[in-house]
Amino acid sequence: EAGVVQSPRYKIIEKKQPVAFWCNPISGHNTLYWYRQNLGQGPELLIRYENEEAVDDSQLPKDRFSAERLKGVDSTLKIQPAELGDSAVYLCASSLQSSNTGELFFGEGSRLTVL
Amino acid sequence: AQSVAQPEDQVNVAEGNPLTVKCTYSVSGNPYLFWYVQYPNRGLQFLLKYITGDNLVKGSYGFEAEFNKSQTSFHLKKPSALVSDSALYFCAVRDDSNYQLIWGAGTKLIIKP
Repeated sequence: EAGVVQSPRYKIIEKKQPVAFWCNPISGHNTLYWYRQNLGQGPELLIRYENEEAVDDSQLPKDRFSAERLKGVDSTLKIQPAELGDSAVYLCASSLQSSNTGELFFGEGSRLTVL
Repeated sequence: AQSVAQPEDQVNVAEGNPLTVKCTYSVSGNPYLFWYVQYPNRGLQFLLKYITGDNLVKGSYGFEAEFNKSQTSFHLKKPSALVSDSALYFCAVRDDSNYQLIWGAGTKLIIKP
């Protein structure tokens, strides 16, 4: 069974440029998460989807970040415009359900460097 | 407020020796506790979880964790460390208000040959 797939793995852009990350969760997983992980720190939740509905986006900086999950499967996270402080690894994860008695399955992440 | 703490930024262990990575938590109800591992340039991988039952939980790659309610701890252990165990380890606890995970800051485990 394929795991969570993310692309691109690495992205280098100049500040004020836009960037987008794509995630394909494990088949059948209704819950999808986007996390941001800074170097040497734990992941911080940006947004959580239940199917196509964003049920928790309280930590998403909405002035520059946006996300969508069309048809409740793949998801895209966009930053426009990017700032230097956005340099981080963006992790996508999925799970069968959001009650979290089970575990999250993570992709390998998209490492963003903003110059 | 619910929280999780990993008091050690880094743990160094010689290969073949037992290892312990510490985690303490604070929750209002019954804790749901998790350990994840992150190898360099990779995503996080689930190791094990405690929901209820036996205080000693066994997980992947020979790891186990001991739940101690009185000390509010959930330390990760392995009887004999391997160099390949070198990675970043994260403890997490489920927030009962929204069922989402609260993550520790991580502990870097270095196993020396």
